[in-house]
Amino acid sequence: DIQMTQSPSTLSASIGDKVTITCRASQTIGTWLAWYQQKPGKAPKVLIYTASSLENGVPSRFSGSGSGTEFLLTIYSLQPDDLATYYCQQYHNYPFTFGQGTKLEL
Amino acid sequence: QVHLVQSGADMKQPGSSVKVSCKTSGYDFTKNALHWLRQAPGQSLEWMGWINGADGRTKFSQKFQGRITMTKDTSTTTSHMELSSLTSEDTAVYYCAKDRMHLDHWGQGTLVTVSS
Repeated sequence: DIQMTQSPSTLSASIGDKVTITCRASQTIGTWLAWYQQKPGKAPKVLIYTASSLENGVPSRFSGSGSGTEFLLTIYSLQPDDLATYYCQQYHNYPFTFGQGTKLEL
Repeated sequence: QVHLVQSGADMKQPGSSVKVSCKTSGYDFTKNALHWLRQAPGQSLEWMGWINGADGRTKFSQKFQGRITMTKDTSTTTSHMELSSLTSEDTAVYYCAKDRMHLDHWGQGTLVTVSS
């Protein structure tokens, strides 16, 4: 199975900050990577797919980059609604696998 | 508008089975696979498998082979996931999610609690 490792596990930031979350895959996955946002008690919501494509309706302050084994999720100008847990997921191979999550807090 | 609506929370005894349903609407059920995932309390997400909306083919994670079943009913655009031989380790929120290579729409989740 492909292991996905996110860093950091917790990120403290302020409103207006630029924040970056890293996701590393244990083997190359091309750009078959998605980023999800999850708020407590809610289902995940996709933000980015194929590493850098913005899902419809997602604010443009979210940006994804990377390929191969290293990927970044960047949030430009953090907003209060962005406080959540973020997961990366590879869909290059079965079984699909997720990172352990990055909790973004104030 | 795409909607995935799951069945309600359930409590099961160890050794029993649970069946969770996912009623879909707003897209062509036969043109997309439906995935099932779960999330144990305080943990990350775990992919369990998918079912093809057209022909019912399935693909499961090796972890669940032998105790998971996925079915579909095209007439009601509903999928079901059944997990057997439950233990306390199966206590989790179970999700269905629509395939667009990535998972672009999710059900609201179904809490399954396994306890004696």
